[in-house]
Amino acid sequence: GAGVSQTPSNKVTEKGKYVELRCDPISGHTALYWYRQSLGQGPEFLIYFQGTGAADDSGLPNDRFFAVRPEGSVSTLKIQRTERGDSAVYLCASSLTAGGSSGELFFGEGSRLTVL
Amino acid sequence: AQSVTQPDIHITVSEGASLELRCNYSYGATPYLFWYVQSPGQGLQLLLKYFSGDTLVQGIKGFEAEFKRSQSSFNLRKPSVHWSDAAEYFCAVGARAGGTSYGKLTFGQGTILTVHP
Repeated sequence: GAGVSQTPSNKVTEKGKYVELRCDPISGHTALYWYRQSLGQGPEFLIYFQGTGAADDSGLPNDRFFAVRPEGSVSTLKIQRTERGDSAVYLCASSLTAGGSSGELFFGEGSRLTVL
Repeated sequence: AQSVTQPDIHITVSEGASLELRCNYSYGATPYLFWYVQSPGQGLQLLLKYFSGDTLVQGIKGFEAEFKRSQSSFNLRKPSVHWSDAAEYFCAVGARAGGTSYGKLTFGQGTILTVHP
C-alpha cells in the first residue's frame, strides 16, 4: 500500500497476556518510529529504528516493552505481561530519512490496545 | 527536557471565521516545530513545519504558523475555517542531534476544533 499499515487495528486482551503489534512502513523508508497515545493525550515517543537497529529506545516505559525490525522494513512492538495501564493507541510512523528537513513522519492509523 | 503546551483543549468556531490555535514550547536551543492534524479514523497528517529561515511558514489546507522565539510560541492560523477542518490538532517539537533532526517528537496534548455551520 501507499501508506503506513498497522495491524491489528484493534486488540482486546486480558491482563497478563502477551501482545504483538505490527507496522509495515512505506516502502523505501529507512526510519521507523513507535509512539503511544493515551486517551486525551498527545502521542509519546517510544522507540526509533534506523534500518534494523534501534537507534533510540529511551521512550520504552519498562522492560515489558520490546520492538524489533529484523530486516529493516516491518517492525513488531511486543508487550509482555500486559497491564491495564498499557491500554492506548500505538502509532507507527516512518520517514524517508532520519535527518534533515526531509525527515517528515508519515503516521499509520494506529493499533488500539485494550487491556481488560 | 523539551515540552509543548497547548493551552486550549477545545475550540469552537463558526465556518468562515478565522482561527488561531496556540502552542508554546520549551527547548534549550532553536527547535524544530511541527503542526499535525488528526481526524477520526485517520493517521496524523503533517500540516506544516519550521526548521529555519522565514519565521512565517505556510502549510497545506491554507494553514500557516509563525515562530516567535521571544515568546517561545508557534501558533497555527487560518483566515477562514471550513467545516472539513474539524479535527484534533497537535503541536510538536523535534530534537536536534548534531545539526540534524530525526523524528523523536514531543507532542502537546492537542486542541480539538469544532466547526459550527
